Amino acid sequence: NAGVMQNPRHLVRRRGQEARLRCSPMKGHSHVYWYRQLPEEGLKFMVYLQKENIIDESGMPKERFSAEFPKEGPSILRIQQVVRGDSAAYFCASSTGTGGAETQYFGPGTRLLVL
Amino acid sequence: KNEVEQSPQNLTAQEGEFITINCSYSVGISALHWLQQHPGGGIVSLFMLSSGKKKHGRLIATINIQEKHSSLHITASHPRDSAVYICAVPNTGNQFYFGTGTSLTVIP
Repeated sequence: NAGVMQNPRHLVRRRGQEARLRCSPMKGHSHVYWYRQLPEEGLKFMVYLQKENIIDESGMPKERFSAEFPKEGPSILRIQQVVRGDSAAYFCASSTGTGGAETQYFGPGTRLLVL
Repeated sequence: KNEVEQSPQNLTAQEGEFITINCSYSVGISALHWLQQHPGGGIVSLFMLSSGKKKHGRLIATINIQEKHSSLHITASHPRDSAVYICAVPNTGNQFYFGTGTSLTVIP
């Protein structure tokens, strides 16, 4: 039973390019969470999705960031026109249920470096 | 003030020592989570608890809901326990608030 998968594990982009980060939840999990960890800082919630629905995106920057979790395929976190401040580790987690009463299983993260 | 406060921020221990990491929170919760982030960056969920105490191997987690406080204990610490330990608390919605983590180094 594969765990949460994220790819790529490392991504280098130049300022102004787009970054696409993918997350495949654990089998049977329909809830996906994205978190960002800036250098030397703690994890911060970004967005919570269920299949085809964004449930809570209150942690997402208002511009350039978007997320989706289509009926088929992985969840995608998309960052348009990346800037140096977007350099961070982006973690995806999945769970079977909603809210904080379910264990979340984390992926290995995607480390984004913006040059 | 952060919703979740952890202490200490950094901790160095000799192999075999008993270790305690503390977490205090100010938001209402359904369950509190302890996470472990390895030096390579991967994150593992250690415990989810809403009351009392849980034990897994050498790790013990306790929570006092009235005092809004949780502790993570490691008995007979080992260098492989070296990692960042993170306390996470969900709010009434779907967001998690994370502590800034406790960086533990266990010296042989």
